[in-house]
Amino acid sequence: GNSVTQMEGPVTLSEEAFLTINCTYTATGYPSLFWYVQYPGEGLQLLLKATKADDKGSNKGFEATYRKETTSFHLEKGSVQVSDSAVYFCALSAPGGTSYGKLTFGQGTILTVHP
Amino acid sequence: DADVTQTPRNRITKTGKRIMLECSQTKGHDRMYWYRQDPGLGLRLIYYSFDVKDINKGEISDGYSVSRQAQAKFSLSLESAIPNQTALYFCATSAGVLATNEKLFFGSGTQLSVL
Repeated sequence: GNSVTQMEGPVTLSEEAFLTINCTYTATGYPSLFWYVQYPGEGLQLLLKATKADDKGSNKGFEATYRKETTSFHLEKGSVQVSDSAVYFCALSAPGGTSYGKLTFGQGTILTVHP
Repeated sequence: DADVTQTPRNRITKTGKRIMLECSQTKGHDRMYWYRQDPGLGLRLIYYSFDVKDINKGEISDGYSVSRQAQAKFSLSLESAIPNQTALYFCATSAGVLATNEKLFFGSGTQLSVL
């Protein structure tokens, strides 16, 4: 079946530090890949996505590149801010079979950014 | 007003009680989903509905049931609550197939505690 594995957290950084959150996946076919973010007390919201190999998703200074050869979709940001403190979820949507039209989520990574 | 509204926001109940969590949406989306979030496990799909006449089990449907009363309303019931159903529950909607250009829109969640 499909699965998503994220790096263990929590991650604690100082403001302006570089961020990487690793995400690898297992899926049949060619899934679409997503990063969702959950700010304290809120539901998840889409941060960025990529729908085919070598695509780069980007939003709010965050980037992730769909790497089919390494089955990865690592999230990066060059300079984090305190306001980036949140839980980040990697997810995939498989193109067919019983998983069609649904998202499979990773376990989430808590990011805390200190001033 | 929120596009996806969940009620209640918090609920404490006792083992064996029946409880209903409600979700309504104003986005006009056909597809609705119920997820639960547990620390370290990410989000897991309980049930989903692609239209009013279509209800499907997710990966962890045991102990839960749902009702799609209208396009805008999707309720989750715990027939006889047990402590390991203590979790944060999210309702979500989407306009179409997530593997394409669609995304999930989440409510703010219901924190359920079963004593």
